[in-house]
Amino acid sequence: SQTIHQWPATLVQPVGSPLSLECTVEGTSNPNLYWYRQAAGRGLQLLFYSIGIGQISSEVPQNLSASRPQDRQFILSSKKLLLSDSGFYLCAWSYKQVLYNSPLHFGNGTRLTVT
Amino acid sequence: GQNIDQPTEMTATEGAIVQINCTYQTSGFNGLFWYQQHAGEAPTFLSYNVLDGLEEKGRFSSFLSRSKGYSYLLLKELQMKDSASYLCAVPNDYKLSFGAGTTVTVRA
Repeated sequence: SQTIHQWPATLVQPVGSPLSLECTVEGTSNPNLYWYRQAAGRGLQLLFYSIGIGQISSEVPQNLSASRPQDRQFILSSKKLLLSDSGFYLCAWSYKQVLYNSPLHFGNGTRLTVT
Repeated sequence: GQNIDQPTEMTATEGAIVQINCTYQTSGFNGLFWYQQHAGEAPTFLSYNVLDGLEEKGRFSSFLSRSKGYSYLLLKELQMKDSASYLCAVPNDYKLSFGAGTTVTVRA
């Protein structure tokens, strides 16, 4: 069966510090990979998605970046965190196809607090 | 792009029925998903509708009307553990856009 691992679960970082969140998927090959952010009391905002190694699509211009160095690894990064980067970051995967009848499966999330 | 609307909050009594509505506007329709998200946790997949009508899965059912751009999630025999946020979402190729979610509170 497929599993998705996301870490760390919680993170407190000062403003201006770098960020690296990692997500890996097991049990499937060539998945679509996603990063979403959920601000407190808000909906899910798509940040990045990837349909293959080295292929990154950015949905929202900001000080975050994403990389996919391996087939089942997705990394979210920032060089300098802002207070507004605080939120619940969720990694997700789906089967390698457009999302018609193919749900996203989410990791447990990382709660980031920028102080 | 997608425009997805849901009520912000709903409250219901244990054992009752609650209907969560979702309206959407999309450039092309390819189905609609419902997810459940408990506080502090990740969303989990509940249902997918692409054809008009009602689909039932135990206590949860989901309805779709493509002509009206409308869906609802029906929760029957409410239990305390059903207290959560319910998100509707529509896909567009590789992307899934979510509504802001409806927080359902179940009271004893």
